[in-house]
Formats: sequence, C-alpha cells, structure tokens
Amino acid sequence: GAGVSQSPSNKVTEKGKDVELRCDPISGHTALYWYRQRLGQGLEFLIYFQGNSAPDKSGLPSDRFSAERTGESVSTLTIQRTQQEDSAVYLCASRRTGDGSYEQYFGPGTRLTVT
Amino acid sequence: GDSVTQMEGPVTLSEEAFLTINCTYTATGYPSLFWYVQYPGEGLQLLLKATKADDKGSNKGFEATYRKETTSFHLEKGSVQVSDSAVYFCALSLSGGYNKLIFGAGTRLAVHP
Repeated sequence: GAGVSQSPSNKVTEKGKDVELRCDPISGHTALYWYRQRLGQGLEFLIYFQGNSAPDKSGLPSDRFSAERTGESVSTLTIQRTQQEDSAVYLCASRRTGDGSYEQYFGPGTRLTVT
Repeated sequence: GDSVTQMEGPVTLSEEAFLTINCTYTATGYPSLFWYVQYPGEGLQLLLKATKADDKGSNKGFEATYRKETTSFHLEKGSVQVSDSAVYFCALSLSGGYNKLIFGAGTRLAVHP
C-alpha cells in the first residue's frame, strides 16, 4: 500500500519568508510525528499528534514553528519568518495504534534550504 | 535529559567482515530501544527493536541486545554485504515506544566488495 508521502520534496526559500510543509500519513494511522534532521545530526522530535488528544508540542524550537492536523489525515508544518538555521530535512512519520504497534513509518522528507 | 550516543562514522568494511556499531543511552525510566536504517535514496525504516532488559532484537542478520547494566544497545552483524551500506540510527522511546523517538546522530556504514 501507499506509504507516508511528503511535499514538496525540496524547498528553497529566502530568509524571512513563511513556508508550509505537507505530510500525508498512511491511511488509518492515527499517530503522526514531525522530526527535523540537520546536516550530520540525528533526528530531533518536533511535534506528535494522536487522534483527538492535544498534540505534544514539546519539541518545537520556537514560536515560529506550528503544525496542524485535520482529523486523522493530512498534517502541515508551518515555519514563519524562516532563518538560515531552519535549513534541514523535515521528516514526517505515522504509526498504527490500537494493536500495540511501535513502528513509526517515515516519509521521504522535505529538504528545506533557507538562503 | 534523555539521549542516545552512537559511535561516529563512517565505518568502512570489506564484504563478509564483522560489524559492530556502538550505541549507549541515558534515560529516566525504562526505555524501548530501536535501530533504524536509511538506505541511499530511501526513507528511514525500522530495522529491529527491544522493549525490555536482556531482550534481543534481530532482523536481516542484524542483532542487538538491550543491556540495562551498561545502558547499551550495540548493533552487530556477523557478515556484512555491500547491500548493507546505509546510515544506521539508534533511538529510544519512553512510554513503551508509543511516544516520540530520541535519535542518535547516525553512523554511516560503507561496505566494499
């Protein structure tokens, strides 16, 4: 079946502009995660959505970052007034729930470059 | 805070060599431990996991044992292949693996014929 998809695959933007990144999780996966991977570093957790529960926003690095999720489907990550340090690969993952499954399925990522 | 430390790469091996990638962790509570792999041009995928002390995760010839006494989860494979060339990430999760993953920096493995 279809995996997690993300768009765009690449985004180049000027410092100070806003960007929106999109994630389409696997159908039926109620848990959705956003991570950031800076060059040469591991993945950093940003935000976690689980069903109708309040999202865990503890990883968002500043108030310029926000994310939304419509029901159990698409999620968008918005970065306002982008800075050069926001340049990274942004990864989305989804997970099936209700059956004790641990595995997070990752999308291919969006490479964001802020010039 | 909770963290994962992996050996730095790149690791370069000849085909059929023995592989060890070291991973140690710091965590409050009792984490679940994971190895994820990212093959060239592909997304991150789960390789193996262990959810409690002394558990051994295994998949595709890779193994890792959850060692609480040394807070380690080293990845091993007895005979690597060129197709194993990838970046390997060690990760932990509290809350039984359902919550966010905390990743190490990743270790790049290159296997030559």
